[in-house]
Amino acid sequence: GAVVSQHPSWVICKSGTSVKIECRSLDFQATTMFWYRQFPKQSLMLMATSNEGSKATYEQGVEKDKFLINHASLTLSTLTVTSAHPEDSSFYICSARDFSSSYNEQFFGPGTRLTVL
Amino acid sequence: GQNIDQPTEMTATEGAIVQINCTYQTSGFNGLFWYQQHAGEAPTFLSYNVLDGLEEKGRFSSFLSRSKGYSYLLLKELQMKDSASYLCAGMDSNYQLIWGAGTKLIIKP
Repeated sequence: GAVVSQHPSWVICKSGTSVKIECRSLDFQATTMFWYRQFPKQSLMLMATSNEGSKATYEQGVEKDKFLINHASLTLSTLTVTSAHPEDSSFYICSARDFSSSYNEQFFGPGTRLTVL
Repeated sequence: GQNIDQPTEMTATEGAIVQINCTYQTSGFNGLFWYQQHAGEAPTFLSYNVLDGLEEKGRFSSFLSRSKGYSYLLLKELQMKDSASYLCAGMDSNYQLIWGAGTKLIIKP
């Protein structure tokens, strides 16, 4: 299956700093990537849909100025958590859709665990 | 509105069979997915159904009834490594995935 990488795997930062998370599709081109957040024992929560070369579409309640998404190429999308606060601590997961796949399934990166002190 | 319902938790015995049910309501329908998620890890794709019926893949099978808005994931010959959360997700007319909260499956020896 298609491979999606995510970097870093985990990060600890101080309150008020910004953190950038990278998501890469390694062996396919992803015109669409998705960013999810998952709190402990809860389901995946879609934050935004990222389309290559255009602005991301944010879900209701997600602050676009706080969670900056850039999808500069067909294989890379980045999420920047700006001025992070402890309540932003969560598991952030990206996924990419391989449109060449007959199933249209999303392939997930391994996730980034963010802890804001 | 769009909604996915599945049980919160299930317990089964190693070597046994377990069926995890899922009911869905989506705006349009482009298929039903099952993903497995181990604690602290990202989800991995298990199965996809878009037509009615049973899809078998090794120890795992998935069933879909579009008229009933219903799917199940069947796991046979359970192994301890099958302990995980199983996420049901429906794909709507915009090809967006609508996620259930997941079913935590506990396997006992």
